[in-house]
Amino acid sequence: GAGVSQSPSNKVTEKGKDVELRCDPISGHTALYWYRQSLGQGLEFLIYFQGNSAPDKSGLPSDRFSAERTGGSVSTLTIQRTQQEDSAVYLCASSPSVGIGSHGYTFGSGTRLTVV
Amino acid sequence: KQEVTQIPAALSVPEGENLVLNCSFTDSAIYNLQWFRQDPGKGLTSLLLIQSSQREQTSGRLNASLDKSSGRSTLYIAASQPGDSATYLCAVRPSNTGKLIFGQGTTLQVKP
Repeated sequence: GAGVSQSPSNKVTEKGKDVELRCDPISGHTALYWYRQSLGQGLEFLIYFQGNSAPDKSGLPSDRFSAERTGGSVSTLTIQRTQQEDSAVYLCASSPSVGIGSHGYTFGSGTRLTVV
Repeated sequence: KQEVTQIPAALSVPEGENLVLNCSFTDSAIYNLQWFRQDPGKGLTSLLLIQSSQREQTSGRLNASLDKSSGRSTLYIAASQPGDSATYLCAVRPSNTGKLIFGQGTTLQVKP
């Protein structure tokens, strides 16, 4: 696609429920990244994928968080047993893989998650 | 550990002023540095990308400089307009990782 697409744009869920957030990167971008932005906070790195593998998942806050990517394209971030502190905007970005250090990121518009 | 700091945290200027936003980082081993803009409730829009071998990049009224050895970057906005009001984020890509490290941002308000 022309840009990074994230869905849903907004999600309200009850505490304890599981949620899935989806990211569709720019076509041909093999690197995909997940970040979280809590109210009044900076961007917190969660995980990134190169193809279908995740070289760095060090930012996942707990084992309730997981992410997968299939077919080198769409990625899903899953949060199990959601807690109120999971409320945040979840941002996805992608970049070309060639010369991974030389390309910038393109971000999606984010999913605003509210846990009530 | 790479850390990115942006100063000031907030800035308010009258329309038409030229202004400079500052970004500093602690480790000079970077691939590139990227400046983003974020409007309230929105995602991030890339403004300028500077490779580690470059000194500056320009786009319209925006000019970003990079001094890797001193760990500093500046974003210069000429002839500011109310539409420039947003939060500006600086991010570096360390050379040993694929992820970006972000500063906390500078929130800019340009008054008509």
